[in-house]
Amino acid sequence: QVQLQESGPGLVKPSGTLSLTCAVSGGSISSSNWWSWVRQPPGKGLEWIGEIYHSGSTNYNPSLKSRVTISVDKSKNQFSLKLSSVTAADTAVYYCARRFWGIDIWGQGTMVTVSS
Amino acid sequence: AIQMTQSPSSLSASVGDRVTITCRASQGIRNDLGWYQQKPGKAPKLLIYAASSLQSGVPSRFSGSGSGTDFTLTISSLQPEDFATYYCLQDYNYPQTFGQGTKVEIK
Repeated sequence: QVQLQESGPGLVKPSGTLSLTCAVSGGSISSSNWWSWVRQPPGKGLEWIGEIYHSGSTNYNPSLKSRVTISVDKSKNQFSLKLSSVTAADTAVYYCARRFWGIDIWGQGTMVTVSS
Repeated sequence: AIQMTQSPSSLSASVGDRVTITCRASQGIRNDLGWYQQKPGKAPKLLIYAASSLQSGVPSRFSGSGSGTDFTLTISSLQPEDFATYYCLQDYNYPQTFGQGTKVEIK
């Protein structure tokens, strides 16, 4: 079955760019699903960041829209998140996920800390 | 953005209890709502989609109901493995928004 795995630096400096990749295995990123990013600050709730379709169509959370880019690489069967101008408020566990009927498949999550 | 208000924010219950969690949307969202369970250190898990459809592999003690603005997640007989935090998520429009969560604790 489809599995997702996040990867990327666990520490990012303030004002820098957070970059994460989500590898999709057991299925094709070109299937009829949206591929999503969700984050969770320590001890807090879940926040939807955005999503991408394999065609490249994207939807972003307006609260982050000016700083977020989600892209897809069909040749590598993966999708990516870039969040620019990060601050300590961006410290969180970042999850990649698949949305079909609901967000039905999640990666294990990766902790990203913003600190100098 | 649509606001999703969950209640209660936490509850204490015993094994075997019937538990009900509600989620209210700030505007109508048809039945475009899912319920998720999250245990500490783990990714959320989809329990219910489209307000009342049970995700494959999820025990039948979980059920969802509602449409429009008011939704309910019910656990008919709480089991030890059900102690967790539960979230609702609307995907009626963008941005998708989560409720603030309901922590179910052991009484």
